[in-house]
Amino acid sequence: QSALTQPASVSGSPGQSITISCTGTSSDVGDYNYVSWYQQHPGKAPKLMIYDVSNRPSGVSNRFSGSKSGNTASLTISGLQAEDEADYYCNSYTSSSTVVFGGGTKLTVL
Amino acid sequence: EVQLVESGGGLVKPGGSLRLSCAASGFSFSSYSMNWVRQAPGKGLEWVSSISTTSDYRYYADSLKGRFTISRDNAKNSLYLQMNSLRAEDTAVYYCARDAGYCSGGSCSLAAFDIWGQGTMVTVSS
Repeated sequence: QSALTQPASVSGSPGQSITISCTGTSSDVGDYNYVSWYQQHPGKAPKLMIYDVSNRPSGVSNRFSGSKSGNTASLTISGLQAEDEADYYCNSYTSSSTVVFGGGTKLTVL
Repeated sequence: EVQLVESGGGLVKPGGSLRLSCAASGFSFSSYSMNWVRQAPGKGLEWVSSISTTSDYRYYADSLKGRFTISRDNAKNSLYLQMNSLRAEDTAVYYCARDAGYCSGGSCSLAAFDIWGQGTMVTVSS
């Protein structure tokens, strides 16, 4: 049950687009379309941003989008805004019926 | 308002036990699988355990090695986590989280945690 691999940090300027990767294995990300993404601001609980690889819950901005290729899922944020600065986590359902999270990525808006 | 409220955290000595509770309100608790997720200070999220709607299925992170037990009481709209043989590395904020179970075309999502509590801090220290 190794954690999914995410870059420790990414950055971008307001208005730009950034992409965060989430790499797993054929037993989790590669085998299921059950990848979700979460946004967490300091001292707050995580917020679901994307589920089932590319679906947005009601109320989440369409600037957030998700995709997957093989064992790697990606979260793209377009039109970066100051309030997007936060930690982002992916998770995936696994073949053991458990859940595994990524290590998290700190997004800095320059 | 849809809400999850955790309680039961605190300071406990290594080897001790603690029982966390999560009170749900504003939704049909018995219709959703539930989870515990923890976050050590300054670290990332770690999934701990999940339980199905009728408690038939319970899953745990391998790292727990049988020390934790998840349970629920649908009549009381409550989720629990019994933690035994606690270690310093169990120090974390513990969140309960609802599995959204978004359904479309006959299939439902898994591991999409749409509602989270505010968390309860567990500190294991002598």
